[in-house]
Amino acid sequence: SYELTQPPSVSVSPGQTARITCSGDALPKKYAYWYQQKSGQAPVLVIYEDSKRPSGIPERFSGSSSGTMVTLTISGAQGEDEADYYCYSTDSSGPYWVFGGGTKLTVL
Amino acid sequence: EVQLLESGGGLVQPGGSLRLSCVASGFTFSSYAMTWVRQAPGKGLEWVSAISGSDGSTYYADSVKGRFTISRDNSKNTLYLQMNSLRAEDTAVYYCAKSGSSFHPDSWGQGTLVTVAS
Repeated sequence: SYELTQPPSVSVSPGQTARITCSGDALPKKYAYWYQQKSGQAPVLVIYEDSKRPSGIPERFSGSSSGTMVTLTISGAQGEDEADYYCYSTDSSGPYWVFGGGTKLTVL
Repeated sequence: EVQLLESGGGLVQPGGSLRLSCVASGFTFSSYAMTWVRQAPGKGLEWVSAISGSDGSTYYADSVKGRFTISRDNSKNTLYLQMNSLRAEDTAVYYCAKSGSSFHPDSWGQGTLVTVAS
């Protein structure tokens, strides 16, 4: 079965840039999406189609893609950005979709 | 404003059944794909099932195929998930989500908790 691989945790100091990666064999051909989930809350879409930002998402959130890896970048991370982040995509053989294992971002 | 309200969760014994519902408002329900995603306690998100808005095509994760059935009633703006032969590992918060053209969730409900235990 298809897998998306993320680091379990990332830590940065306030104001620094946080980068969260997600790797998967089909990512060169399939879009990735990123979700933020704060404790006790439903997930929120923060990046779609690799690098597009939904309305209402701060500009410090950006996404990029290179080969089999996509990256969520939070420029000038703030305490309110502490959350779990999940990438999401589909296998090239489809049709089914998967989430990465999630990355816990700590800003301290 | 998109609103999604799940219901139907609760405690059920292994081998039992449960039907989840998700009432949608704030968008043209029939025009959008819908997705169920679950999250076991303390664990990550797991895609469960999706249904297209156009022709009602359905898709399932291997972990639920043959046991769960997704359906929709566009006249009632309601999404369903019929869950049969439930197992302890199905214990999770189940979220319904409005989905985009690539079946990616773009708006989520608050979830309903399903607990499978004797």
